[in-house]
Amino acid sequence: DAGITQSPRHKVTETGTPVTLRCHQTENHRYMYWYRQDPGHGLRLIHYSYGVKDTDKGEVSDGYSVSRSKTEDFLLTLESATSSQTSVYFCAISSPPPNTEAFFGQGTRLTVV
Amino acid sequence: DAKTTQPNSMESNEEEPVHLPCNHSTISGTDYIHWYRQLPSQGPEYVIHGLTSNVNNRMASLAIAEDRKSSTLILHRATLRDAAVYYCILRGLGEQLIWGAGTKLIIKP
Repeated sequence: DAGITQSPRHKVTETGTPVTLRCHQTENHRYMYWYRQDPGHGLRLIHYSYGVKDTDKGEVSDGYSVSRSKTEDFLLTLESATSSQTSVYFCAISSPPPNTEAFFGQGTRLTVV
Repeated sequence: DAKTTQPNSMESNEEEPVHLPCNHSTISGTDYIHWYRQLPSQGPEYVIHGLTSNVNNRMASLAIAEDRKSSTLILHRATLRDAAVYYCILRGLGEQLIWGAGTKLIIKP
């Protein structure tokens, strides 16, 4: 298994509070991604990073920010959590696209009450 | 939006081959065809990818049409552990994985 760890694995938080999810890799991959997945749907890209301090927005970036201060860590922050951000969040890593595979973490289940 | 079209679900019998189709009529010359699967309550898992030629690995085979407007993922002998949602995704230069709804594969014992 690729060395990718998400923390926490489960979190319940209150509306309006900030939340930070962490993705840690030991594979030295340049690209890192944050996705969310809602019931019955495929994954939707929130933000991604193509290097330290290099990030870009995905399809559903509103309400989220990211930071990558070192190769191995990619943080996703919900600045003020809302109930619509209740979801399962997946982190992924890869070498530069398109001829590479991505490896995914086990996911973080976030509930905003 | 996802650039591929897949059936919502398919059923197959255990120990039989499974052919999962994917249409991608707007594919460009630099788009790779990727397949991932997601088992229940797990993160997605890479299966296979290709550009023009058919590809084989330990998990599956990928058959790509000559005009590249469609492809088929082939599981040679399905087991109950292959029950999952299978995603067909196009990925071009500098592009990220854009996911559709995938095909839910049901394996009957």
